Amino acid sequence: DQQVKQNSPSLSVQEGRISILNCDYTNSMFDYFLWYKKYPAEGPTFLISISSIKDKNEDGRFTVFLNKSAKHLSLHIVPSQPGDSAVYFCAASDRGSTLGRLYFGRGTQLTVWP
Amino acid sequence: GAVVSQHPSRVICKSGTSVKIECRSLDFQATTMFWYRQFPKQSLMLMATSNEGSKATYEQGVEKDKFLINHASLTLSTLTVTSAHPEDSSFYICSAHSSLAVSYNEQFFGPGTRLTVL
Repeated sequence: DQQVKQNSPSLSVQEGRISILNCDYTNSMFDYFLWYKKYPAEGPTFLISISSIKDKNEDGRFTVFLNKSAKHLSLHIVPSQPGDSAVYFCAASDRGSTLGRLYFGRGTQLTVWP
Repeated sequence: GAVVSQHPSRVICKSGTSVKIECRSLDFQATTMFWYRQFPKQSLMLMATSNEGSKATYEQGVEKDKFLINHASLTLSTLTVTSAHPEDSSFYICSAHSSLAVSYNEQFFGPGTRLTVL
């Protein structure tokens, strides 16, 4: 049972434009959300996160938006750069459960072309 | 800071043999480490949570007698795949939770181990 869903397996964007990666979740107990970036044959690296008490968190070119009523979050990358090409994983956690327990989506392969 | 290493990075073994994968936190102490498995184009699936000095907690459907986890110290956890079969071929990734994390529940991931069972 996939509690975190990334329904778009891939996204292709031109350099300089905005990349929007989407993520949906089903568990209403999730209260913290993270985005990870992963290159082939490497482990994921943390990108940005958001608590359920917020609806937006920004860090440089990366912004995450959370819509709790829709159980939806998105990652915006502006402007997109070729080096952003990677697989992006959305993850969620429930602070009431095991510390550090994360639930991952299947990832979205982002390709930024010149 | 907050570097996690894995060894080996890739291993090829014959069916029926056992393979040990090490996960180390290099510059911090990790009371909790996690082991994930990722199949091609699939999500990272949590296999087990490894706690230093105690038995690991396995996710539903993961055979604890097949995937032996030992968390002997605050910087080392090992995953042993016993009597490996071709269907165990996968990318195994460990992660650790650290007080160095700037964000709650942030985990630091190792680079992964590619296991191929012939």
